[in-house]
Amino acid sequence: ETGVTQTPRHLVMGMTNKKSLKCEQHLGHNAMYWYKQSAKKPLELMFVYNFKEQTENNSVPSRFSPECPNSSHLFLHLHTLQPEDSALYLCASSQGQGIDYGYTFGSGTRLTVV
Amino acid sequence: QQQVKQSPQSLIVQKGGISIINCAYENTAFDYFPWYQQFPGKGPALLIAIRPDVSEKKEGRFTISFNKSAKQFSLHIMDSQPGDSATYFCAASMETSGSRLTFGEGTQLTVNP
Repeated sequence: ETGVTQTPRHLVMGMTNKKSLKCEQHLGHNAMYWYKQSAKKPLELMFVYNFKEQTENNSVPSRFSPECPNSSHLFLHLHTLQPEDSALYLCASSQGQGIDYGYTFGSGTRLTVV
Repeated sequence: QQQVKQSPQSLIVQKGGISIINCAYENTAFDYFPWYQQFPGKGPALLIAIRPDVSEKKEGRFTISFNKSAKQFSLHIMDSQPGDSATYFCAASMETSGSRLTFGEGTQLTVNP
């Protein structure tokens, strides 16, 4: 186990549904991230949280809503998604926000929007 | 705008051969260059990283070569093994952006037995 746990592993949802992705890290890290991974495209940074405070929103549509209640948990609330939002959503954490802090990624949630 | 360009998109190597994956970057402010390895069904994992003050870093069978003037860096996997079959991502970061990483598109490596 990598220390970063994401649930669910797979999710199929309709365009009118509301669902949430959950990420939990057991590493004592202070920074958490959401990335979107689509086929043959670079990983796209979505949101960054540092000590529970959002420090970056990379122009993500409002149908994606992050929540970070504490440094160990991160959620991504989804509503009114589009088929092009289908992708692997990865959560990551790091000890801090200096460049020497490598990311630890979770295994991701494979999202399919129908 | 793609700031880190990676090639090739896919690579097939025979067991025992050398795998070479290349990346080029645009932003000269980048000062940290990690490589991540991703197996199917798993998230990427940090493999090896380099800073621009050195031209090469080696860890076991994995070597990063860095050419600052050309704004290029590459991953060499010596004596490639079937267990190395995975997707490899290069990335870049700069001190002023904290640990925010910009990733390349990824290279799917297959090592045939």
